[in-house]
Amino acid sequence: QKEVEQNSGPLSVPEGAIASLNCTYSDRVSQSFFWYRQYSGKSPELIMSIYSNGDKEDGRFTAQLNKASQYVSLLIRDSQPSDSATYLCAVRGADDTGRRALTFGSGTRLQVQP
Amino acid sequence: EAGVTQFPSHSVIEKGQTVTLRCDPISGHDNLYWYRRVMGKEIKFLLHFVKESKQDESGMPNNRFLAERTGGTYSTLKVQPAELEDSGVYFCASSQPFTGRKQETQYFGPGTRLLVL
Repeated sequence: QKEVEQNSGPLSVPEGAIASLNCTYSDRVSQSFFWYRQYSGKSPELIMSIYSNGDKEDGRFTAQLNKASQYVSLLIRDSQPSDSATYLCAVRGADDTGRRALTFGSGTRLQVQP
Repeated sequence: EAGVTQFPSHSVIEKGQTVTLRCDPISGHDNLYWYRRVMGKEIKFLLHFVKESKQDESGMPNNRFLAERTGGTYSTLKVQPAELEDSGVYFCASSQPFTGRKQETQYFGPGTRLLVL
């Protein structure tokens, strides 16, 4: 079992629709969760971070965390063709381990159709 | 503010040769990370520097990989001798000194694409 699992996609949605990206993780003591967006050949760019159960909204993006289910998701409202990219879910373990490394999923490719 | 920069952007070498990758973090960022993505796999952690000290090198695959960060500024990652399975994209990331553990943001560079033939 992978530590962080994502559906590789591609996930195809029409322009203006809601895109829903999902991620599950195996380490129950994980405390920090991140969504990075990566355009082809470019660097991963942080778009959302979430640390507590529930929803966190930032513009068109909403991150949702459910630690009991070990599940984190990203919703993109009013999807635009410019949102077409690979979305990487990343997890960091318990803070008391002193370990700062991120563990990544393999990414979900999103295609927004004009 | 300049972002994380990496050099070279691409490198093609033959098996058995040596390659050195360089990363310049964002100015003032004490934390520097190396990650890599091999073909078809997820991005994986290699090691973490705090200033010039290796904080965590648990992800280094073997002793053919040597990372340094003299003076706590830029870092180099040397692969010697390179093997076919070392091919992939090597990313560097940096973050500010910790002021609150949960709020750290790692900023990634564009990566170095290494191909070992």
